[in-house]
Formats: sequence, C-alpha cells, structure tokens
Amino acid sequence: GEDVEQSLFLSVREGDSSVINCTYTDSSSTYLYWYKQEPGAGLQLLTYIFSNMDMKQDQRLTVLLNKKDKHLSLRIADTQTGDSAIYFCAENGSGGYQKVTFGTGTKLQVIP
Amino acid sequence: EAQVTQNPRYLITVTGKKLTVTCSQNMNHEYMSWYRQDPGLGLRQIYYSMNVEVTDKGDVPEGYKVSRKEKRNFPLILESPSPNQTSLYFCASSSQATNEKLFFGSGTQLSVL
Repeated sequence: GEDVEQSLFLSVREGDSSVINCTYTDSSSTYLYWYKQEPGAGLQLLTYIFSNMDMKQDQRLTVLLNKKDKHLSLRIADTQTGDSAIYFCAENGSGGYQKVTFGTGTKLQVIP
Repeated sequence: EAQVTQNPRYLITVTGKKLTVTCSQNMNHEYMSWYRQDPGLGLRQIYYSMNVEVTDKGDVPEGYKVSRKEKRNFPLILESPSPNQTSLYFCASSSQATNEKLFFGSGTQLSVL
C-alpha cells in the first residue's frame, strides 16, 4: 500500500528558514499536500501541489516536488513562533481524494 | 461559518461500553471520513463515505462502525471499545468541487480504561 514518511522533529531559530521533507511511494498521486496541525486543533490545509508541477510558491511557503525520487519538501521562509506546529505531508495516490494517505507528521519547534 | 463539528472533545470510558462520536458538517459535502491519530503513526483512515448510504472501510476499520443516513452527519460508533482504541479521532469532509481540500473537525480525545 501507499507509504508516506517524514522525520518526526525539526527545531529552528526564529527568522531562519525551515525545510520539512517527505518521501512517498505511490507514483500515481495526483495531488500532494501539506497540512498544519496546531496544538489542540484539527488539521488545516496549508498548500498543495499537482503532481505535474516541480515547484509552487505561496508567500513564505515553497513546495518542491521531485517526482523521480518521490520526494516532497516544504520550505518556510522567515520562520516565526506562530509556525510552531505539526506538519503533515499527504498524497491521494490512486484512490483519489477519498483515499488520502498521511505521513507521520513533523513537529516544528521555533526557538525565539 | 463553514465547519466540521465533532462531539465530544474529550471522552473517558471503560472497556465494552458502547459509545458514539458525532460528526456534522454544514458545507453540503458529499465526502466524509474518520481518522485516528496516534504518536509516530500519523493519521490513519478508519472509514469513509462518498455520499448518503455509501460507506467503505479505510485502513484500520476493525472495532468501528459508521452510518451515513443524512448528508451532514457521519457518526463513529464503537460497539465494544477496547484500550487499543484510545486515540485522538478526527472527522473530515470534502467535496468533488474542492477535491484538493479536506476540512477537519477539532478532534475527539478518547481514553478507554
């Protein structure tokens, strides 16, 4: 079945860039997503990328997709303390949007 | 306000005592889903529903039931809860019109003693 992997923890200093990495196994994904989970809350979609794109930029967020290596990354420029959260990578694979598979989540800690 | 509402937020129960976690969305979404979140395992899909009276198993359906009698509601039923079902549960909904986006509830933290 589909598998999505992420490192569990990342710590950065406020103002630095954060890069969260993800690898996935299903090459038939149409969409790849990044969700953010703040403490005590549900997940919220941060951004997503179509599988035929290499890069997507949205304000401080840059998503890079290497389809050959099945590697997805999320870069947050000028990281702020409000960016502290758990970030989930996800892909919809061959099951369509109803079968989204999530990674384990990366907890981002921003040090003031 | 567009939202997915889950109740209760916190629930402590004992092994074998049937419980229901409710989920309701006000966005007329046809698709709804339940996930459980466990440390180090991310989110795993329990059941999903493509529309009224249409439900299907996700990756970890054992010990759970669902129903979809109305479009807005998708309750999760634990007929005989066990301690390994202690987890954080999320309901989510989506629509083909916005098929890139899942809307999540705030979560239900369940402890089974």
